[in-house]
Amino acid sequence: SQTIHQWPATLVQPVGSPLSLECTVEGTSNPNLYWYRQAAGRGLQLLFYSVGIGQISSEVPQNLSASRPQDRQFILSSKKLLLSDSGFYLCAWRYWAGELFFGEGSRLTVL
Amino acid sequence: GIQVEQSPPDLILQEGANSTLRCNFSDSVNNLQWFHQNPWGQLINLFYIPSGTKQNGRLSATTVATERYSLLYISSSQTTDSGVYFCAVDETSGSRLTFGEGTQLTVNP
Repeated sequence: SQTIHQWPATLVQPVGSPLSLECTVEGTSNPNLYWYRQAAGRGLQLLFYSVGIGQISSEVPQNLSASRPQDRQFILSSKKLLLSDSGFYLCAWRYWAGELFFGEGSRLTVL
Repeated sequence: GIQVEQSPPDLILQEGANSTLRCNFSDSVNNLQWFHQNPWGQLINLFYIPSGTKQNGRLSATTVATERYSLLYISSSQTTDSGVYFCAVDETSGSRLTFGEGTQLTVNP
């Protein structure tokens, strides 16, 4: 069966520091991978998605970047965090146009 | 892009009550999903339902794609049903899901 993991689960970072969130999927190949952010309130905002290694689509111009160095690995990064980067970050995967599955989430607080 | 609207935004129930959550979308979709986000933030898949009706225990969902809406029914609600319910749709032309703003459900004992 397929599983998705992301880490770290919680982190507190100072403004201006770098960020790296990692997500891996097991038990599948060539999945579509997604990074969503949920800020204070409810909505889920799509940040990046990838349909293959090295293929990244950015939905919102911002202080973040994403990379997919391996088929089942998706990384969210920032060189210098802003206060507005605080939020709950969720990685997700699916087969093309199939059912979407989420990881456990990473809660980021920027101070 | 496609617009997804959920209603009501907030709903407070007494345990044992029934409820209906609605999701309207502005364009044709490939599929539609319902999720439940529990108080710990975990997003749980409820239904993958591009059309038709499905049932899972006390929950059921109906999607009428031609009329661009979906309904989530919760019967005999329990306190563990509390959380935010999201609808998400997959545009026919793209590879991404667009989420509604969610319905915050609170079930009181």
